[in-house]
This record gives sequence, structure tokens and C-alpha cells, in this order.
Amino acid sequence: SSELTQDPALSVALGQTVRLTCRGDSLKTFHATWYQQKPGQAPVGVIYDTDKRPSGIPDRFSGSTSGNTASLTVTGTQAEDEADYYCSSRDRTGNDVIFGGGTKLTVL
Amino acid sequence: QVQLKESGPGLVKPSETLSLTCSVSGGSIGSDRVYWSWIRQPPGKGLEWIGYIYHRGSTKYNASLQSRVTISSDPSKNQFSLKLTSMTAADAAVYYCAREAGTSPFYVWFDSWGQGTLVNVSS
Repeated sequence: SSELTQDPALSVALGQTVRLTCRGDSLKTFHATWYQQKPGQAPVGVIYDTDKRPSGIPDRFSGSTSGNTASLTVTGTQAEDEADYYCSSRDRTGNDVIFGGGTKLTVL
Repeated sequence: QVQLKESGPGLVKPSETLSLTCSVSGGSIGSDRVYWSWIRQPPGKGLEWIGYIYHRGSTKYNASLQSRVTISSDPSKNQFSLKLTSMTAADAAVYYCAREAGTSPFYVWFDSWGQGTLVNVSS
């Protein structure tokens, strides 16, 4: 199965904008989903189908894609956005579900 | 609002079989176009999809675990289960059950998750 590659860690100043990326061949065909995970908690979806926000997710979270790279942008980052973020899609064959290694986002 | 809850032993001996159950409330595991998955996360590491069961008991497993995994369901109890054989230390993880609403073949969207259950492997 194919892989999804994420930066292991990023930091952002409070109130600033940060973009998290996810690269993988499968993203040329399949759409990314993004999950936020805080310590000791289950993941929560923040973006699905590349750029759709589920109800209850603040509009400071947005998603996009270009070629083999999906992006999650957090605009006006808040302290509560500090978390691990995982991207996900189907693998190149469409058979399996794959996750990126995750990005630990620190809010300064 | 669908709720999921995992149950099972927190400790398994090496070479033995892990058995976990996910109890679902607020929705039926027999629903069309809904996939019921197991996902795991070793301590301090990322997420790994194990497999899912859907409609009338059809299953799909992660290729890397396929030889050791069985997912089954009990519609009468609105539960689905995971069996993972030949457990080793590498299988120690938090195991989550999750629901995927299969609305499109182009993306995977786990919209409901259980709280997770930690499984250790030790003699």
C-alpha cells in the first residue's frame, strides 16, 4: 500500500496561520481527511473530502489539495488547537485505508 | 448521535489471541453504506487501520495484518468484534472502533470513534 508523509512537528504563534501538509501518490486519486487528536483522547475529524468541515468544527480550519499534496490550514490559531493532526485517505489501489504519521502542532 | 464503546482485556500474553468487542448505540450496525472499523495506535505512535465489516458481514482487512485478523458482527447485540491472533509486543496499542459512513469511494471519513481501549502484551 502507498504512504502519506507529514511533517513530524510544527509550531505556530497564537493567532497566526499555519499550514500542515500531507504528501502521497494516493492523493492524486483519493481525497484527504484530517483528524485532530489531543492527548488521551480519540481522534476527531476536522476536514473530510479534501475541504469539507463537519458541523461543530470552527471555520478557522480549512482544507485544500494540489497534485499529490493535501493541506490543512488553521487561520488565527488558538491555544486549544495544539494537538496531533493526522491525514488519511485510501491507498493507491483503493482497497486499504492509510494514515500519515501525524504532525504535532505546538501553539506558542 | 452514534456512540461506540470498546471492551476487552487490557492485557494479553504473547502468542495468544486478542478479542475485543465494540458496542454501538444510536445506530444500527446493519445499516447500508456504513462501515465499522477497527483502528489502533501504539503508544506515542500514529494510527493504523486494521479493517472493517459492513453490510451482511462482508469484511476488508489491512493487507499487513490480514493473516491474523478476523472482524465479525452480532446484529442481535448491535456489536462487532476483533480477533487478532499471535499477539506480540508490537501489537500493544490503544484499539479504537470507529464508524465510516461510506458516502463516497473517493474518501474515507470516520465520523464516530470509541474512546479506545489500551491493550498491553506481556507474559
